[in-house]
Amino acid sequence: TQLLEQSPQFLSIQEGENLTVYCNSSSVFSSLQWYRQEPGEGPVLLVTVVTGGEVKKLKRLTFQFGDARKDSSLHITAAQPGDTGLYLCAGGFNDYKLSFGAGTTVTVRA
Amino acid sequence: SQTIHQWPATLVQPVGSPLSLECTVEGTSNPNLYWYRQAAGRGLQLLFYSVGIGQISSEVPQNLSASRPQDRQFILSSKKLLLSDSGFYLCAWSGDNNYGYTFGSGTRLTVV
Repeated sequence: TQLLEQSPQFLSIQEGENLTVYCNSSSVFSSLQWYRQEPGEGPVLLVTVVTGGEVKKLKRLTFQFGDARKDSSLHITAAQPGDTGLYLCAGGFNDYKLSFGAGTTVTVRA
Repeated sequence: SQTIHQWPATLVQPVGSPLSLECTVEGTSNPNLYWYRQAAGRGLQLLFYSVGIGQISSEVPQNLSASRPQDRQFILSSKKLLLSDSGFYLCAWSGDNNYGYTFGSGTRLTVV
């Protein structure tokens, strides 16, 4: 079983502050995905990265894939209460399956 | 566009009763289909996946089974539920490149 470690487990910040969530593994990913999930709903895909060193931006969210394709980060600039949720990273290992991290619960206070 | 439907949204079942959760996908052909279980507010555990009709792979030995009777239908079942089967069950589909899953809205199962 491939293990993805996410940190921190919980993050509570004030509106307007920045935050970064990390996802690490000892294995090399073929692809890495980030999802956001709200209570009682299914996760929603935010981004997929496949190339080592790749950086993708989605409005105030910046996703980075490590050069060795073993780690990734999600950075949110000027967080808003609407960014509150559970952020999950998921790694693909050249098969049909994804392994998910345990998630980071982000709370943005107004 | 592709859509995924999962039902029911919530379910309360007594211990020892059977279970059937259904998931259907529209707008695509031959999707890869998945069943995950999620502990409260945490990560997802893969239970079953299917790459075609009648093809089921099990990831975790347990009290559950899965079937894919049609191309875009995936069913999660149990003959006798245990208390430990309680949780949030999610169905998902992906294309061949596995570059992103689309999840259903989930089923909250409580076994009492």
